[in-house]
Amino acid sequence: GQNIDQPTEMTATEGAIVQINCTYQTSGFNGLFWYQQHAGEAPTFLSYNVLDGLEEKGRFSSFLSRSKGYSYLLLKELQMKDSASYLCAVTDSNYQLIWGAGTKLIIKP
Amino acid sequence: EADIYQTPRYLVIGTGKKITLECSQTMGHDKMYWYQQDPGMELHLIHYSYGVNSTEKGDLSSESTVSRIRTEHFPLTLESARPSHTSQYLCAASGQGDTGELFFGEGSRLTVL
Repeated sequence: GQNIDQPTEMTATEGAIVQINCTYQTSGFNGLFWYQQHAGEAPTFLSYNVLDGLEEKGRFSSFLSRSKGYSYLLLKELQMKDSASYLCAVTDSNYQLIWGAGTKLIIKP
Repeated sequence: EADIYQTPRYLVIGTGKKITLECSQTMGHDKMYWYQQDPGMELHLIHYSYGVNSTEKGDLSSESTVSRIRTEHFPLTLESARPSHTSQYLCAASGQGDTGELFFGEGSRLTVL
């Protein structure tokens, strides 16, 4: 079966750095997405990786290793507004999106 | 960027009622999707469409139906609502030729009593 694993919950301090990991086992691979979802709201797009390596976008970076079936989202200079769930999703060989359950990130002052 | 509009935002109905959740997008994107999401859980694909007159069932069809008569409109219908249908329903759209980034509507939160 197809599977996306990410930690259920993480806690970090305002101003610090946090890394959210995602491992996947899918039938084929055509890209990996990270979305941010605040409580009660819809997901919003953060990043897309299809080749190995690091993609940087402001305070957020996303890394991909296809050989390891592994990605991480790195958030720097954490702000209180970064408290949200972070969803990892993989596009399989049929271009269907497989979603992880999300990692709830709690930011403390 | 696609603007995705969903109505109603919140709905409380009794068991056995027929309901339609509306979803419209203004950017002419071909692909549209309906997801179901319970609090703290992953998104489950209910239905999707790759264009006009194209509809497919996802992993969780949840006894619902969809139609795609116009590019911009993708309504979801529950013929007979049950308490197990209580959830948040998210509509999304994406264009062809891009990364496949999804643009989501604000969601319809359904409660079936």
